[in-house]
Amino acid sequence: DSGVTQTPKHLITATGQRVTLRCSPRSGDLSVYWYQQSLDQGLQFLIQYYNGEERAKGNILERFSAQQFPDLHSELNLSSLELGDSALYFCASSVDWAPAQTQYFGPGTRLLVL
Amino acid sequence: GENVGLHLPTLSVQEGDNSIINCAYSNSASDYFIWYKQESGKGPQFIIDIRSNMDKRQGQRVTVLLNKTVKHLSLQIAATQPGDSAVYFCAENRNSGNTPLVFGKGTRLSVIA
Repeated sequence: DSGVTQTPKHLITATGQRVTLRCSPRSGDLSVYWYQQSLDQGLQFLIQYYNGEERAKGNILERFSAQQFPDLHSELNLSSLELGDSALYFCASSVDWAPAQTQYFGPGTRLLVL
Repeated sequence: GENVGLHLPTLSVQEGDNSIINCAYSNSASDYFIWYKQESGKGPQFIIDIRSNMDKRQGQRVTVLLNKTVKHLSLQIAATQPGDSAVYFCAENRNSGNTPLVFGKGTRLSVIA
């Protein structure tokens, strides 16, 4: 158990809908990262937040947005969902903002868009 | 991730044998590397890391070797067990601004009992 929690574990929704994924980092970690993992694909970095502020942005679609709250939990919002958005979404956390450090991953949210 | 790749996408190993999983990287400025293990339906799990000022680091049954000359990283698992069956990812820090870790596509390790 990494100490990173994600909810929900599974999500089934329809095209055009909007969903929110939630992540709580490990106790003491200030950075949160979001990743998308499609079938047989590697981890695609979406976005990083550090202490409430956006720190780095990857291949995140405009339909997707995220935020980190004062209690350091983070939410990833996916809107106007398409079939191709079906994937595993992982949250990871690390102690601070520096790139060269271990990220600890949560169990993921499996999203299925029908 | 581009240019963080793996020589072998699948690897089958007999239980008890040693496993070697390889990873190539292209950025000579990369200064930090991690190996993760991902079991089916679970999130990636940290195994071991190494910084570029080292060429070898050992953990429990695992060793990571870094060859900066040829930009190659390997993970060695001693006495491979069925529980080692998983996908293994290497990740690198490219030491480029705020860009976080870049992950390879992974190698699937299957342990034959």
